[in-house]
Amino acid sequence: KQEVTQIPAALSVPEGENLVLNCSFTDSAIYNLQWFRQDPGKGLTSLLLIQSSQREQTSGRLNASLDKSSGRSTLYIAASQPGDSATYLCAAPAPGNQFYFGTGTSLTVIP
Amino acid sequence: GAGVSQTPSNKVTEKGKYVELRCDPISGHTALYWYRQSLGQGPEFLIYFQGTGAADDSGLPNDRFFAVRPEGSVSTLKIQRTERGDSAVYLCASTQGGFSGANVLTFGAGSRLTVL
Repeated sequence: KQEVTQIPAALSVPEGENLVLNCSFTDSAIYNLQWFRQDPGKGLTSLLLIQSSQREQTSGRLNASLDKSSGRSTLYIAASQPGDSATYLCAAPAPGNQFYFGTGTSLTVIP
Repeated sequence: GAGVSQTPSNKVTEKGKYVELRCDPISGHTALYWYRQSLGQGPEFLIYFQGTGAADDSGLPNDRFFAVRPEGSVSTLKIQRTERGDSAVYLCASTQGGFSGANVLTFGAGSRLTVL
């Protein structure tokens, strides 16, 4: 079974700061890793998908990296804004094609 | 459909009752997943279908939970003799299936179940 861990559990930063969210996984035989955003009381929105052959993926102010050998992925958010406040979740597949999630990082960006 | 559709969006029931939650995945997506999310937690894997068959049901917490996908499209999650601890948001997701690195999990908005 794939075990996914996210640290920190919560993060509070002033507006404009750059920040990094961390995701680690135990089974490195993955074919991709996905990052999601979840607003309170809402469903999950896909942010970035990194395929196993890639090391980075970028979308606007977001950059996700993947290091399979160390079982780690990071989500970098540049120039944070209050609208970035949400819970960020990562998901990694297990060998049977199930996807397992971390418990998320709750981000608060203070205006 | 254009997205993953889940009904009902909210369900309030009494302890001991039977509940059905429905998921309509993106058209053409062969893989379908059910998750359960409690407050402050990440989604917990319940069951995964590839086509009509349950490829992995190891996440179902006990035999009160059952899911079907008879025609390889719409899926129904069934909960018998509901307990207060079953209260959570039940999320459904679908992908194109297979072990493709490009498979993006697309989620529905969820069904919030409250057992009184």
